Amino acid sequence: QVQLQESGPGLVKPSQTLSLTCTVSGGSISSGGYYWSWIRQHPGKGLEWIGYIYYSGSTYYNPSLKSRVTISVDTSKNQFSLKLSSVTAADTAVYYCAGRGYGKSFDYWGQGTLVTVSS
Amino acid sequence: EIVLTQSPDFQSVTPKEKVTITCRASQSIGSSLHWYQQKPDQSPKLLIKYASQSFSGVPSRFSGSGSGTDFTLTINSLEAEDAATYYCHQSSSLQETFGQGTKVEIK
Repeated sequence: QVQLQESGPGLVKPSQTLSLTCTVSGGSISSGGYYWSWIRQHPGKGLEWIGYIYYSGSTYYNPSLKSRVTISVDTSKNQFSLKLSSVTAADTAVYYCAGRGYGKSFDYWGQGTLVTVSS
Repeated sequence: EIVLTQSPDFQSVTPKEKVTITCRASQSIGSSLHWYQQKPDQSPKLLIKYASQSFSGVPSRFSGSGSGTDFTLTINSLEAEDAATYYCHQSSSLQETFGQGTKVEIK
């Protein structure tokens, strides 16, 4: 079964770039079958889809975040990454990585990591 | 953007009772609707995909139905471990969205 684990700084200063990595185990990113995704949840709030990437490098981003988001993949490390630029306090959230199957549901999720934007 | 509206926002239910949660889409999304369960301090878990297909390992008391704009998640014979917030999610449009969530509390 696919397992995912997020890693990265828990504190980012305003105007800087948030960077997170998701390590996938239990399967190869480059085997196909999944779009590797990022989703966030503001404290006490609902879920917001950020975007996803296929192992080939094709990306799809939420239009509301597209100008600030970059998702990349490193198949040699079985990892994919999120960069969110020019962050503000409104970007404070728990960030989840997830595997989106061809059925377009988010089948597997990481445990999530809280990122706080504060000076 | 397709807006998903869940009802109710909150439900307090006794064990063994039947729970029904609805999700209404602002435009037709076919069957591209999925349901997740999120327990406190945990990540969401997929329950139902494509409106009515149970995900592997999900107890049979969870079921989904609907198409177009109106969808339902049903929990038959609620158990204490089902206390959680439930979210619907649409993958019909290029901007995928989630419902606001329905919190189910056990009386």
